[in-house]
Amino acid sequence: GAVVSQHPSRVICKSGTSVKIECRSLDFQATTMFWYRQFPKQSLMLMATSNEGSKATYEQGVEKDKFLINHASLTLSTLTVTSAHPEDSSFYICSARDLAVNTGELFFGEGSRLTVL
Amino acid sequence: KQEVTQIPAALSVPEGENLVLNCSFTDSAIYNLQWFRQDPGKGLTSLLLIQSSQREQTSGRLNASLDKSSGRSTLYIAASQPGDSATYLCAVPQGAQKLVFGQGTRLTINP
Repeated sequence: GAVVSQHPSRVICKSGTSVKIECRSLDFQATTMFWYRQFPKQSLMLMATSNEGSKATYEQGVEKDKFLINHASLTLSTLTVTSAHPEDSSFYICSARDLAVNTGELFFGEGSRLTVL
Repeated sequence: KQEVTQIPAALSVPEGENLVLNCSFTDSAIYNLQWFRQDPGKGLTSLLLIQSSQREQTSGRLNASLDKSSGRSTLYIAASQPGDSATYLCAVPQGAQKLVFGQGTRLTINP
């Protein structure tokens, strides 16, 4: 299957700082990538849909100014958590579909665990 | 609004047993259904994708079925092994893009 890579896998930061998480499709192109958030022992919740070359679409209740998404190329989307606070500590996972394969299958990255002190 | 439910929430069985995980969804107008595996602290691994026109898909010891009309899917795992221990998630699309996930079934295979 297609490979989606996230970096960093773990990050610890101080409250008030910003953190950037990268999501790359390694062997395919994706015009759309998706950012999910997962709290402990809970399922995934979609935060936003990242569109290459245009603005991201955010789910209801997700602050677009806090979670900045940039999708500058067909293989890279970034999520920046601005002015992070302890309540932003979570597991963030990105996903993407292969443009060349029209099955609708979604592939996920390894996830990035953010801890805000 | 699509809602996905997985039963049971947790399951523990001895090694070698066959088992079935259940997934139900409220809106039967789906394009496909996908089963994932998640190991603790890791991302999701796609296991099987069933298109709406299909009734089942098989990959090795895994077999997933889909009954759209009743809003149900099952994941059958044959001859379970300790390495199968993980959380299994099913997900269906809501609209063209968004995936809606169940809460998952946490599976433990005891040696």
